[in-house]
Amino acid sequence: DGGITQSPKYLFRKEGQNVTLSCEQNLNHDAMYWYRQDPGQGLRLIYYSQIVNDFQKGDIAEGYSVSREKKESFPLTVTSAQKNPTAFYLCASSMGSSSHTGELFFGEGSRLTVL
Amino acid sequence: GENVEQHPSTLSVQEGDSAVIKCTYSDSASNYFPWYKQELGKRPQLIIDIRSNVGEKKDQRIAVTLNKTAKHFSLHITETQPEDSAVYFCAAKPSGGYNKLIFGAGTRLAVHP
Repeated sequence: DGGITQSPKYLFRKEGQNVTLSCEQNLNHDAMYWYRQDPGQGLRLIYYSQIVNDFQKGDIAEGYSVSREKKESFPLTVTSAQKNPTAFYLCASSMGSSSHTGELFFGEGSRLTVL
Repeated sequence: GENVEQHPSTLSVQEGDSAVIKCTYSDSASNYFPWYKQELGKRPQLIIDIRSNVGEKKDQRIAVTLNKTAKHFSLHITETQPEDSAVYFCAAKPSGGYNKLIFGAGTRLAVHP
């Protein structure tokens, strides 16, 4: 069954701790993305990767880090430097920047709460 | 920077009525405008999209119109049903080399039986 899998679905973190959110896709997509969703603010881009071993900052990258060592995987680390990390995080993928379709396929999200 | 504004933030209609959600974008070179639907507790999913060389596109009960001169596009849902209740996001793809989408803040649509 093809798609994007995010884990964990719910995560609690103490202040000062780093946490890593997992995102795996088996759609053979080149591009992957991390979005943050807050009430009333839509989806904001944190990081994106167009190809393995390459990634770029999005609009709100401060306090986050990513890696793209495999095509299928794009984990997001929320570091202690992120001042307001409590949010719903969505991972997405698409065929790639060369595709004119532009459709994003989303995972089911991870809800992070900082205690 | 690029910006997409979406209105209204909430919309309540009776079953069978039509619903219209409007978005404006700032980058006049934007060339792709998708709409995503997010049901409660679920992932956003693409429901319809339109490209800058087309003025209108329809798919059963949903349609999207684009006015490039005014830099706005709209989602129209006719004969609304309770299962249309969800949050709807518009987005615009600015010109550039990669598949970046700028999302609106979302519209929470409630369809009452």
